[in-house]
Amino acid sequence: DVKVTQSSRYLVKRTGEKVFLECVQDMDHENMFWYRQDPGLGLRLIYFSYDVKMKEKGDIPEGYSVSREKKERFSLILESASTNQTSMYLCASTLAPTYEQYFGPGTRLTVT
Amino acid sequence: QKEVEQNSGPLSVPEGAIASLNCTYSDRGSQSFFWYRQYSGKSPELIMFIYSNGDKEDGRFTAQLNKASQYVSLLIRDSQPSDSATYLCAVNGGARGGSYIPTFGRGTSLIVHP
Repeated sequence: DVKVTQSSRYLVKRTGEKVFLECVQDMDHENMFWYRQDPGLGLRLIYFSYDVKMKEKGDIPEGYSVSREKKERFSLILESASTNQTSMYLCASTLAPTYEQYFGPGTRLTVT
Repeated sequence: QKEVEQNSGPLSVPEGAIASLNCTYSDRGSQSFFWYRQYSGKSPELIMFIYSNGDKEDGRFTAQLNKASQYVSLLIRDSQPSDSATYLCAVNGGARGGSYIPTFGRGTSLIVHP
């Protein structure tokens, strides 16, 4: 079974802090994604990566950056956390040819 | 802008009934279609995917695809209270950077009452 893990289930940070969310997958998947999920807005893509050191912006990249130094690990960075970044953050990975998404358990981030 | 539309619900059905969940999409070039189930407070998990027009069955679940009408549905037979969840429809359109990027609907909430 594919396993995608995320570094924290719950996180509370203060406004202005730099926040790191980490995602690890164990199935050698090429593609990894970061989403945020908010009530009424659904899943929104922040960034994705299709290879080591390769990244592309999703629909809402502002205020975020990412890092993929190893194939199995994809990090999301909030450069200066703000209250409007309070959300559920979901990591996912996919593999050709079917490209179904395998999600991690999610990190519920609260910025106060 | 690619769109995937779902009725937010809630869709309420009695235990043992057939639940029918619907999804329409705007990108006529879409190639693959997915249904995910998400329990409250949990992450989405894949139920089924479908690529070809017609029906695909897996246990109590049947996915139906009609590309001409840009419509995909999920039928759940013999619904159980444990099926109560939000169901997300996702559509893979064009490729970017070597990966297909899904567009997700906002989900339909299903309640199965005893």
